[in-house]
Amino acid sequence: AQTVTQSQPEMSVQEAETVTLSCTYDTSESDYYLFWYKQPPSRQMILVIRQEAYKQQNATENRFSVNFQKAAKSFSLKISDSQLGDAAMYFCAYRSEDYGGSQGNLIFGKGTKLSVKP
Amino acid sequence: KAGVTQTPRYLIKTRGQQVTLSCSPISGHRSVSWYQQTPGQGLQFLFEYFSETQRNKGNFPGRFSGRQFSNSRSEMNVSTLELGDSALYLCASSLEAGGPLGSQYFGPGTRLLVL
Repeated sequence: AQTVTQSQPEMSVQEAETVTLSCTYDTSESDYYLFWYKQPPSRQMILVIRQEAYKQQNATENRFSVNFQKAAKSFSLKISDSQLGDAAMYFCAYRSEDYGGSQGNLIFGKGTKLSVKP
Repeated sequence: KAGVTQTPRYLIKTRGQQVTLSCSPISGHRSVSWYQQTPGQGLQFLFEYFSETQRNKGNFPGRFSGRQFSNSRSEMNVSTLELGDSALYLCASSLEAGGPLGSQYFGPGTRLLVL
């Protein structure tokens, strides 16, 4: 079974600085997707970024980028120019590439609570 | 395009009662998944529906059930509520059940409190 581990329960960053959140996963599959979701105090889960395992190029979405190391099974999220609105719980998630099959659910890590200091 | 909507947003029930939660996916999305979020267990997968068929089910007792309608709207039902069922229930929709169109977008959740 696949597992996702986020080893940093809490992190803090100064506004305008850069912070990196870590995530490791365990799988025997070669094709899969990885995601970062943000959950602010409103509890609305927001998709931040997606990475396809077959792509070597790291995904980027504005100030958010990932460092995907497939061999090391590592998937970290870098937030540049941190803003107060970035304060939230961040969840790393894994999904099998099981198109048409029955394993399309997300498997989540425990989350990292990010605080942004003004 | 409107996002995923869930109703009701908050619910208080007593032990032994049953509850039905509703989820309307993003227009055009055919897959709906449900997750339970608690402080102790984190985010856990309940079930996934695609084209009115349950494709996948998590490790939850039979008291938890769901269905999907022809317009892709989904409901989940919990019968004989227990205190441990208190949680945030999140619904997510995606265009397809997998592949590059399988990214899941979440609704605001229904917060259930069982007394």
